[in-house]
Amino acid sequence: QSALTQPASVSGSPGQSVTISCTGTSIDVGTYNHVSWYQQHPNKAPRLMIYEVYKRPSGVSSRFSGSKSGNTASLTISGLQAEDEADYYCCSYAGGVTIYVMFGGGTKLTVL
Amino acid sequence: QITLKESGPTLVKPTQTLTLTCTFSGFSLRTTGVGVGWIRQPPGKALEWLGIIYWDDDKRYSRSMKSRLTITKDTSKNQVVLSMPDVDPVDTAAYYCARVMWNGAPSYFDFWGQGILVTVSS
Repeated sequence: QSALTQPASVSGSPGQSVTISCTGTSIDVGTYNHVSWYQQHPNKAPRLMIYEVYKRPSGVSSRFSGSKSGNTASLTISGLQAEDEADYYCCSYAGGVTIYVMFGGGTKLTVL
Repeated sequence: QITLKESGPTLVKPTQTLTLTCTFSGFSLRTTGVGVGWIRQPPGKALEWLGIIYWDDDKRYSRSMKSRLTITKDTSKNQVVLSMPDVDPVDTAAYYCARVMWNGAPSYFDFWGQGILVTVSS
């Protein structure tokens, strides 16, 4: 596996909640808690939103939360706002034997 | 305040060597648990991790790039350099450097540079 699997797109209306999944395997997401999420607006650098599965960096809204179950990590955004419209990427450590770090394919979030 | 900035050529010819420099401030690569990583993003595509260099000079590379990539650091200058020989048009991408926090493993990229768009074309 060369990348974590994310849905290509998700959408929601302002005020609603959306969840973006990130599916890996037992050698990456399923074993390690080094899962992070990044938000990227067009032509901008990625921004760290969640690290170590559920931790929020200083300055990130509490509307963003992370979780993990088995081989799948999830990012939930509650109370959707127009400014949340962006691409979101998950990232995981993968054990270092053959793959060390990998990103997901990205999910485009559209706020309707 | 932590900042990182990528610099280098924005246009490179096929077969040439691409050399990019990441100049950072607000942290030191002498600090245990700190690293600098390189990530690239072809136009309209996903992020791709390339490599990391750590405080202790340990280096890790993407399996797909391992034979092509060299990452070095100059701690006194607060710089990390990426060197990629024999570039091809498929290497056209925005290249980012980012600080990596190590917590038993590379845990997350918490601060990113603005990125530099490199085009490989004759």
